[in-house]
Amino acid sequence: GAVVSQHPSRVICKSGTSVKIECRSLDFQATTMFWYRQFPKQSLMLMATSNEGSKATYEQGVEKDKFLINHASLTLSTLTVTSAHPEDSSFYICSAIFRDRGSNQPQHFGDGTRLSIL
Amino acid sequence: AQSVTQPDIHITVSEGASLELRCNYSYGATPYLFWYVQSPGQGLQLLLKYFSGDTLVQGIKGFEAEFKRSQSSFNLRKPSVHWSDAAEYFCAVALNTDKLIFGTGTRLQVFP
Repeated sequence: GAVVSQHPSRVICKSGTSVKIECRSLDFQATTMFWYRQFPKQSLMLMATSNEGSKATYEQGVEKDKFLINHASLTLSTLTVTSAHPEDSSFYICSAIFRDRGSNQPQHFGDGTRLSIL
Repeated sequence: AQSVTQPDIHITVSEGASLELRCNYSYGATPYLFWYVQSPGQGLQLLLKYFSGDTLVQGIKGFEAEFKRSQSSFNLRKPSVHWSDAAEYFCAVALNTDKLIFGTGTRLQVFP
């Protein structure tokens, strides 16, 4: 079964609103979560790395004030797209690493969130 | 700079035929290697991974991949493709599992 749950699966909202996406690890503690963005028919681009209890590390070119990431617990990370505009429309995917399983563990991905800004 | 190349954007095969998806990487050291599959509108599912040891790796759904250091390749293979294998396939590399670099993906289409 799924080990990473992402919610909502689809969001449609008006330009200027803020949208929050949740990423939860199920049954395991995820000290590190990742947020990706995927444009249609393209690959995944890492946006930021989220560590529990500390500030997220953003990749070059990603606006940290636009994409707010919070990782307040070992099972939940949130991505908030602030004042969203049509160009923010995309497929957002989170992933998590389960540290308590030891080292060299692969990332487990959520099912993604389709964000459409009108 | 680190990079991952999947030369084939789109591959079409007949059901029951064999499959090979190519992946080449450019990295300063031997990275960790992964293959993920993505069905439309969904997240990624790990097919297999290579960290060390035997260079022929077995994965889920009958897939396997072979790491060839001399060719900087990690090609994915399946001896007999099923219609349910139609999806997007991504090769990825990382120095550890923390930061993945994905290839551009190969879309697999399967004809009955």
